Amino acid sequence: ELKVEQNPLFLSMQEGKNYTIYCNYSTTSDRLYWYRQDPGKSLESLFVLLSNGAVKQEGRLMASLDTKARLSTLHITAAVHDLSATYFCAGRNYGGSQGNLIFGKGTKLSVKP
Amino acid sequence: EAQVTQNPRYLITVTGKKLTVTCSQNMNHEYMSWYRQDPGLGLRQIYYSMNVEVTDKGDVPEGYKVSRKEKRNFPLILESPSPNQTSLYFCASSPGGPDTQYFGPGTRLTVL
Repeated sequence: ELKVEQNPLFLSMQEGKNYTIYCNYSTTSDRLYWYRQDPGKSLESLFVLLSNGAVKQEGRLMASLDTKARLSTLHITAAVHDLSATYFCAGRNYGGSQGNLIFGKGTKLSVKP
Repeated sequence: EAQVTQNPRYLITVTGKKLTVTCSQNMNHEYMSWYRQDPGLGLRQIYYSMNVEVTDKGDVPEGYKVSRKEKRNFPLILESPSPNQTSLYFCASSPGGPDTQYFGPGTRLTVL
């Protein structure tokens, strides 16, 4: 069964700095998702990565997928306070039904001035 | 406005008293899903429905039931709630499969 592990779980950054959140998964997953959750709020879908080498970018966030390494990354460029949130990755459980998602525990990002 | 709605948003109940959390979407989405969020555990999928005809278990279905009688609604039923079902619950929908899900505002459930 698919397992998804994120690291770090907590990340405190200074504005203007770059950093990367890592999402490792244990078995084959044919697609990888990233979500954002603001404190006390619901979740928002950020990216869907469908194939090896896929790269998606929106603003200061860029997500990539390496299926051979079973690794997805979420790169933050020149962080700003508005990016403070918890970020989750999730994989689709390839061996199961197409609708089954397995989430990582989330990375709580705090961007300080 | 395109949205996923959940009701109630907050609920405090007692052990064993049956309850239903409703979820409705107005986007004609095929896929709907329920998740629970617990501190330190992230999100875990309870049940999902690929379409009106297909519903399947997620990772933590024990103690829950769902019903998908029509495309727009996907209620979550707790027949006999227990304290370990105290959690924050999210419903989500997506046009087809779990890609690009739209999440509801969440329901905070406390079972005493």
